[in-house]
Order: sequence, then structure tokens, then C-alpha cells
Amino acid sequence: QQQVKQSPQSLIVQKGGISIINCAYENTAFDYFPWYQQFPGKGPALLIAIRPDVSEKKEGRFTISFNKSAKQFSLHIMDSQPGDSATYFCAASMRGSSNTGKLIFGQGTTLQVKP
Amino acid sequence: AAGVIQSPRHLIKEKRETATLKCYPIPRHDTVYWYQQGPGQDPQFLISFYEKMQSDKGSIPDRFSAQQFSDYHSELNMSSLELGDSALYFCASSSTGAPNEKLFFGSGTQLSVL
Repeated sequence: QQQVKQSPQSLIVQKGGISIINCAYENTAFDYFPWYQQFPGKGPALLIAIRPDVSEKKEGRFTISFNKSAKQFSLHIMDSQPGDSATYFCAASMRGSSNTGKLIFGQGTTLQVKP
Repeated sequence: AAGVIQSPRHLIKEKRETATLKCYPIPRHDTVYWYQQGPGQDPQFLISFYEKMQSDKGSIPDRFSAQQFSDYHSELNMSSLELGDSALYFCASSSTGAPNEKLFFGSGTQLSVL
């Protein structure tokens, strides 16, 4: 059972375009939603993250939009560049006396930005 | 800035052999997580440690064990290796005192079981 569902599985965007990746979750106890970028043979690297009390967060060309009522969040990459070609994972975690903050990942989206 | 260090980078083993993967967290990070990532798959949580005690357990086979030492480094021990254990194994670390409790990942150990 995939607790965090991510789409699309793959995405091709022209240079300069907008890349949009979507995620949905079921567990309302999740309170931290990061996005990770992974290049082949490398570990996931934290890109940007958001908490449920904020509807949008922007860092440079990367924006997270968060819809708490719909239990959905998305990553927008503006002015996509060939160097952005990588696999992107959304994730979720929760904190509490019985939780450790481990990340639950989505299935990943392979992004290819064409020159 | 110092990152999470994993060793070895690559490991080739035969079926039924044992393997030990090491992880050195970012200095002053007190929590370590182990993940397994199969080809084209998302990372799957195996186990975590906080202050040298196991804090959470995921889909880790009984053939695997792990521990965190006094210097906070961690080792994942894998016995009776199977072909299906071939994967990329990541270690991540975090600091419970940090406001966002971000997880930082190492570059991983690529384990190939032949």
C-alpha cells in the first residue's frame, strides 16, 4: 500500500518550460512534506519542503503548492533546464511520541528537460 | 560542509555470504536511517536509530541487523545474502534538535549479489 502516490511516472519538458509533479497522501498525521532530487547513482538530495500550515513555498525556480483539504501537494519547476533532468521524489513524514520522522516516499518521477 | 559518508561505495557478494555497510552521519546528527532502493524504485525504509537505540523498524528482513555506535556511526549487517538483496542502500542522518528535522542522504552503497 503506497501511502504517498506520485504522478506522473515520467515527464518530458522543453527547456524553459514548467515542470509539474503531483503527490497525494492519505494519512492526515503527516506534517512534513519534502521533495528530493536524485541523480543516477547518487543519494536523494533535499530540494524544498513544506509544512501543512503553509499553502505555498518558493525557493528560486522551485515552488511547492500544498492543498491540505485535498491532501495533495505539487512541485513546480519554473524555467526548467537540462541540468534539472533527474528523478524527483515527494515524501511525507510525521512527528510524535511514537514516530521517528522517517520519510515515506512517492514512487518517483523521472524528468527529462530537452534543450 | 560535511555530508553523510557511506562505505563501501560498491560491494559485490555471492549468494549466502554476509555484508557489512557503514554509515557516518553528519557531525552532531543523532539519528540515522537506513533505506533500500531497488532499480527504478523509491527508497524503502529499513530501520532507524536515535541516540544509539533502535527507534523505528520498517521492512527489514530478519537476516539483516543494524546498530548505532557511541560515535553515532551505524552499520547494517546483512547475512545469507539473496539475489533480491541487490540494491542501492542509503543511509540518512538528521538532528532532532533542528527545526525542520531534515534528512540528509549519503551517496549510497551499491550492493550486487551474484
